[in-house]
Amino acid sequence: QVQLVESGGGLVKPGGSLRLSCAASGFTFSDYYMSWIRQAPGKGLEWVSYISSSGSTIYYADSVKGRFTISRDNAKNSLYLQMNSLRAEDTAVYYCAQSRADAFDIWGQGTMVTVSS
Amino acid sequence: SYELTQPLSVSVALGQTARITCGGNNIGSKNVHWYQQKPGQAPVLVIYRDSNRPSGIPERFSGSNSGNTATLTISRAQAGDEADYYCQVWDSSPLFGGGTKLTVL
Repeated sequence: QVQLVESGGGLVKPGGSLRLSCAASGFTFSDYYMSWIRQAPGKGLEWVSYISSSGSTIYYADSVKGRFTISRDNAKNSLYLQMNSLRAEDTAVYYCAQSRADAFDIWGQGTMVTVSS
Repeated sequence: SYELTQPLSVSVALGQTARITCGGNNIGSKNVHWYQQKPGQAPVLVIYRDSNRPSGIPERFSGSNSGNTATLTISRAQAGDEADYYCQVWDSSPLFGGGTKLTVL
């Protein structure tokens, strides 16, 4: 079945780095735009970044621009998010999601990132 | 920048109809999508492009969009419909509403 599985979350100190991964299965990964979306504890959803099917088009939310880098490996059916210069306000559950048109129709279960000293 | 406004909470009696609104300037000109999120779970797309249901979503879920308000309607509300609901549009980048907590009484 169609599935997205995130990994790589954890506890990191302010200023530190973390790399999230999202493994896709059950669909032709290379056909779809993919996104990262986060949710701070007790808060709403915030889009972080998306990448086109080929990887040639990338956008970031202003809150992470210059610190986060999205990438994908279509041969490995995987999506990544490199997060540098992490701040307390980056603490959240990070979801990867398949984008179809301008909606997010498949979501992973999420991985928790905690930025704290 | 564009903003989406949702009520913090909506209550509905069991078996009745719940309506959750999403306000935005001329939102009727945009495609609106709705997500359901139950505690501890990932969001699930329940309505896309204003009024379309993905496969597996009950017919009790419907949507409309006109003017400055989009509406998610849940008919014959069930206890299992208790969740947070988010609207989403695309305005140069994806944007989510603040979310509405639906309580089924």
